Amino acid sequence: AQKVTQAQTEISVVEKEDVTLDCVYETRDTTYYLFWYKQPPSGELVFLIRRNSFDEQNEISGRYSWNFQKSTSSFNFTITASQVVDSAVYFCALSEAYTGRRALTFGSGTRLQVQP
Amino acid sequence: EAQVTQNPRYLITVTGKKLTVTCSQNMNHEYMSWYRQDPGLGLRQIYYSMNVEVTDKGDVPEGYKVSRKEKRNFPLILESPSPNQTSLYFCASSPDAGLAGRNEQFFGPGTRLTVL
Repeated sequence: AQKVTQAQTEISVVEKEDVTLDCVYETRDTTYYLFWYKQPPSGELVFLIRRNSFDEQNEISGRYSWNFQKSTSSFNFTITASQVVDSAVYFCALSEAYTGRRALTFGSGTRLQVQP
Repeated sequence: EAQVTQNPRYLITVTGKKLTVTCSQNMNHEYMSWYRQDPGLGLRQIYYSMNVEVTDKGDVPEGYKVSRKEKRNFPLILESPSPNQTSLYFCASSPDAGLAGRNEQFFGPGTRLTVL
């Protein structure tokens, strides 16, 4: 069965610090997709990124970057120069490609607090 | 505006009183799903639907029912709610049920349910 582990329950940083959120996953499939979602205090889920298992290139989007390493089954998320607006719960999720359920398996989330 | 809507957004009810949480999407998506979010557990899939009249159980279906009579709507029914169903519920949709796992899932704003 697939599993996603976000070992960091809560992280607190001061504005402008860099912060990395860890995500480790388990799956027996060779084809799968990894996602990150942001849940701000208002509660909605905001899609950040999708990565498929054949694409190990790191991705950068503004202050956000993602490091996907199949060798360690990790898909870590780094926020550079954090801002107060980055305060949220961040979820890593996994979806296996050929399962009929199409379910996303979520980690338990990491709460990030950015202090001014 | 492309979106997934849920109603109600907040609901407090009592044990045993049947309730329905509605979910509607205006993106002509084939796939729809319900998740519940609980502290420390992330989001877990309750039920999903690959298309009209096609529904199936997710990871935590006990105590819930769903129906998919129209493509756009996917209501979640709690026939006899109990306190352990107090949770934050999310409806999600995705465009292509065939390409399992690939597509981003679009989430509704969430429904916070309290069962006393």
